[in-house]
Amino acid sequence: DIQMTQSPSSLSASVGDRVTIPCRASQNIDNYLNWYQQKPGMAPKLLIFAASTLQSGVPSRFSGSGSGTDFTLTISSLQPEDFATYYCQQSHSTPTFGGGTKVEIK
Amino acid sequence: QVQLVESGGGVVQPGRSLRLSCAASGFNFNIYGMYWVRQAPGKGLEWVAVISYDGSDKNYGDSVKGRFTVSRDNSKNTLYLQMNSLRAEDTAVYYCARENYYGSGPHYMDVWGKGTTVTVSS
Repeated sequence: DIQMTQSPSSLSASVGDRVTIPCRASQNIDNYLNWYQQKPGMAPKLLIFAASTLQSGVPSRFSGSGSGTDFTLTISSLQPEDFATYYCQQSHSTPTFGGGTKVEIK
Repeated sequence: QVQLVESGGGVVQPGRSLRLSCAASGFNFNIYGMYWVRQAPGKGLEWVAVISYDGSDKNYGDSVKGRFTVSRDNSKNTLYLQMNSLRAEDTAVYYCARENYYGSGPHYMDVWGKGTTVTVSS
């Protein structure tokens, strides 16, 4: 299985900050990388697919980059509604998720 | 609108069985692969099973292989997860999700249900 690593597991930021969330795959996954946002008590929501393609309806402050083994989700200007947990997921083989990064209020 | 609604969760004793359902609406169910994904209390997301659009291909996570069976009834726009020999570690919220593709390459889960809770406890 391909392992997905997200570190740190949490980070603190303020409204308006630029936030970057890293994700690393245990082997090359090309651009088979998706990002999801999850708020407490709610289902995950797709933000980015194929490493850098923004899902319809997702604000443009979210962006994704990377290829191969190293990927990044960037929030250009953090908004109050963005405090949540973010998961990366690879689809190069049977799906695996990273452990998540929780974005908390500083 | 596009919607997935899970049902069938509940409290069940270890070793017993449970069947989850996922009712799809608002899209052409019979052209999409479907996933089951679960989340244990306070933990991250874990892929459980996937089934192709016509039910001919199925795959399972290692932790449920041999105990869980995914199936679908395209005439009823419904996805199922039959869970046998349940264990305490199967306690989780179970989500169904639609599979979509970027061209012929990367695939992703673009529509999710709200989940149904399964608790395995004596």
